[in-house]
Amino acid sequence: GIQVEQSPPDLILQEGANSTLRCNFSDSVNNLQWFHQNPWGQLINLFYIPSGTKQNGRLSATTVATERYSLLYISSSQTTDSGVYFCAVPNSGGYQKVTFGTGTKLQVIP
Amino acid sequence: SQTIHQWPATLVQPVGSPLSLECTVEGTSNPNLYWYRQAAGRGLQLLFYSVGIGQISSEVPQNLSASRPQDRQFILSSKKLLLSDSGFYLCAFYRLMNTEAFFGQGTRLTVV
Repeated sequence: GIQVEQSPPDLILQEGANSTLRCNFSDSVNNLQWFHQNPWGQLINLFYIPSGTKQNGRLSATTVATERYSLLYISSSQTTDSGVYFCAVPNSGGYQKVTFGTGTKLQVIP
Repeated sequence: SQTIHQWPATLVQPVGSPLSLECTVEGTSNPNLYWYRQAAGRGLQLLFYSVGIGQISSEVPQNLSASRPQDRQFILSSKKLLLSDSGFYLCAFYRLMNTEAFFGQGTRLTVV
């Protein structure tokens, strides 16, 4: 099946700093999602981004499907950005089975 | 708009006891439904998925089972819990047209 790797695995930021999270996948995909898992465990949809660039406030994401990667940008980080960030891509074949990346654990310190 | 509800939020159960976690979806019909488990750390493991009433596919052999008695209801069960069943369980549904996923708030299960 498709392999999804994220980097870095862990990241500590000073509040106000910017960061870039990366998601690499091993096969072509027709969609990709970014999620934020908050400290209470809830998975929040950030972006549905099969290709191109999207922005939502301080967050933006870019997917380059032909090169099999996606980037999540966090600008002016806040302590509420802390948590784990996942990317997820569908497996090839039916039933919309989705593979999650390994995650990036972000800690923003004041 | 579509919403997904999952309960209970937390559960502490003794070894050998049964389990029933429920997930319901509103605002959509014939969704694809999924159960994931997240053990210690960060990885999400797909346990079961369902494309329709009574249709269940299992990804990994385990002590758990799933059922879909109604179009928008998905249940995760066990007859006898093991310590290794502890974890964070998440229900999800996918929009059929673009496979965008939405998750419930999760159930933190501790087997003691």
